[in-house]
Parts: sequence; structure tokens; C-alpha cells
Amino acid sequence: KNEVEQSPQNLTAQEGEFITINCSYSVGISALHWLQQHPGGGIVSLFMLSSGKKKHGRLIATINIQEKHSSLHITASHPRDSAVYICAVNYGGSQGNLIFGKGTKLSVKP
Amino acid sequence: EPEVTQTPSHQVTQMGQEVILRCVPISNHLYFYWYRQILGQKVEFLVSFYNNEISEKSEIFDDQFSVERPDGSNFTLKIRSTKLEDSAMYFCASLEAGGLTQYFGPGTRLLVL
Repeated sequence: KNEVEQSPQNLTAQEGEFITINCSYSVGISALHWLQQHPGGGIVSLFMLSSGKKKHGRLIATINIQEKHSSLHITASHPRDSAVYICAVNYGGSQGNLIFGKGTKLSVKP
Repeated sequence: EPEVTQTPSHQVTQMGQEVILRCVPISNHLYFYWYRQILGQKVEFLVSFYNNEISEKSEIFDDQFSVERPDGSNFTLKIRSTKLEDSAMYFCASLEAGGLTQYFGPGTRLLVL
């Protein structure tokens, strides 16, 4: 069965801390996505990765295809970063459906 | 910036009733998806739709569910006879041809009593 595992499930950080959220998957994928879900429920796409590394502002996402592992890093975390961060993968091409991890609930304290 | 919209934002219904959840995907997108998220659980794939037909569906998407693109803009999910366990947030998403990122709507929170 195609699984997506995330760790940690919950993460509390102080403002300014460097944060890492991990994602692993079980079989080969065509793409991996990092998504952000706000308390109201809305989902926003942060990154799509098929190899290497991407950076957007204070967010950095990396993927290691051989190890079937990806990380999302947040530098200089801020309370407004508090959200659920979700890893999701495409197994069947970029038009295929997404398989989601359970998410990591991040709370950044001022 | 174009966005996916969904209506209603919240719906409360009685068990056994039919509900229709509506989505307006981004106008030039060609691939459409429904996902659901039961409270406290992960997001799950229901169905994908392309070229006026279902391209893939999960085991959750049984005979009680159907999807339709009745006109050039709307994409609907119908649940024929709702069950208590259908209570969830339902997300629509769309993807343009050759695109890599699905754009999600804000969701419809369905509560079945």
C-alpha cells in the first residue's frame, strides 16, 4: 500500500527557531508536494518537488529520491507560520491524484 | 489571482438526504478532483475527472457518490443518500493542462445528522 509518513505529528517552537518537518514515502513517485492548511481548513500549495531543493522566502524544501524522503524547513519561524503542514505525493504522473500524509501541526510561540 | 471556489461553505443535512456540493474550478484548468477530510484525519482522494469523465476513483467513491460537470464552469459532487460517516470537509481542486500544482478550493464542511 502506498503510504506517506510525516514526523513529527505535533511541533511547538519559539519564534525565531529553525524548524524541520520530515516526510517519507514507500514507493517511487512522480512528484512530492508540501501544502499548508490553515486553522479554517483552507489548503495552499507551497512546493512541488521531483528532485533537489526549492526555496521560497523562509521556506526550503528538499527531496532525496533514493532515500524516498523529503524535508520542509522554516527559517526564523514566526507565529504566523502556525498551521498544519502536509506532505502529499503523486504516484501516477502530475495529473494523478494526491496521496496525503497526516500532517504536522506546527505552533510557533512569540 | 484566479481561485477555485466552492459552495456552500457549510451544509447541515439529515441522514438519507441527497446533497450536492458545488465547485467552480479555475477557468482554463482541465483536471478536476474531489478530496475529503474527516475531522482529525488526513485528506483522502475521492475522484478525479478529465475530458468529461471520471479518470480515477478511490474505494471511498462508491455508488452513493457521483460527479458532474453540467456546464463549462461548475463541477459538482453529489452524495445520493448521506450517512453519518459522510460528515467531513470536502475539497475541490483543479489543475491546468501540463501543470504540476493542484489548486484547492476553500472546502465545504458537511455535517450529517
